Amino acid sequence: GDSVTQMEGPVTLSEEAFLTINCTYTATGYPSLFWYVQYPGEGLQLLLKATKADDKGSNKGFEATYRKETTSFHLEKGSVQVSDSAVYFCARDSNAGGTSYGKLTFGQGTILTVHP
Amino acid sequence: GAVVSQHPSRVICKSGTSVKIECRSLDFQATTMFWYRQFPKQSLMLMATSNEGSKATYEQGVEKDKFLINHASLTLSTLTVTSAHPEDSSFYICSALTHRGQPQHFGDGTRLSIL
Repeated sequence: GDSVTQMEGPVTLSEEAFLTINCTYTATGYPSLFWYVQYPGEGLQLLLKATKADDKGSNKGFEATYRKETTSFHLEKGSVQVSDSAVYFCARDSNAGGTSYGKLTFGQGTILTVHP
Repeated sequence: GAVVSQHPSRVICKSGTSVKIECRSLDFQATTMFWYRQFPKQSLMLMATSNEGSKATYEQGVEKDKFLINHASLTLSTLTVTSAHPEDSSFYICSALTHRGQPQHFGDGTRLSIL
């Protein structure tokens, strides 16, 4: 079945450090891929997405590239801020990429803490 | 942008009580809504898919009689935890799909604590 694997956390960085959170997915079908962010006590917010191979999603300085050859969708940011401290979830949907987004399968989440 | 409102944000009640959680799409029609459960420091687990005007589709292992889902209109889905017990304590999150096929939009979640 569908699955998503994220690097285990927690990840602790100093402000302005480079961030990478690894994510790999099972290659069944042609899923759309997502990164969601969850701040303490809140729901999930969509951070970025990519719908097909080689697409790059980007938002708020975060980037992730859909790599079909390695079934990966790693999240990167060149210079993190304290306000980036949150839990990050990688996810794939169950449908073929394109016009609809069905059930989501989430990775286990990675806690990011950024210190001043 | 699309907004999903979830209510209440937090509820504390006694064991045996039934609790209703509402999920509303505020500025769009949501033909499909999803209900997730999140345990502390864990990922989201899909409980059920709710389609307007039809019965919800539950994931394997989720008790239909325990978690009643109603999607009576294009802007409202409700999850009722019946005869709740302490093991039902969790963070419940809903999400909604717009009819234009954009990514799911999530509510802020409901923290349920059963004493």
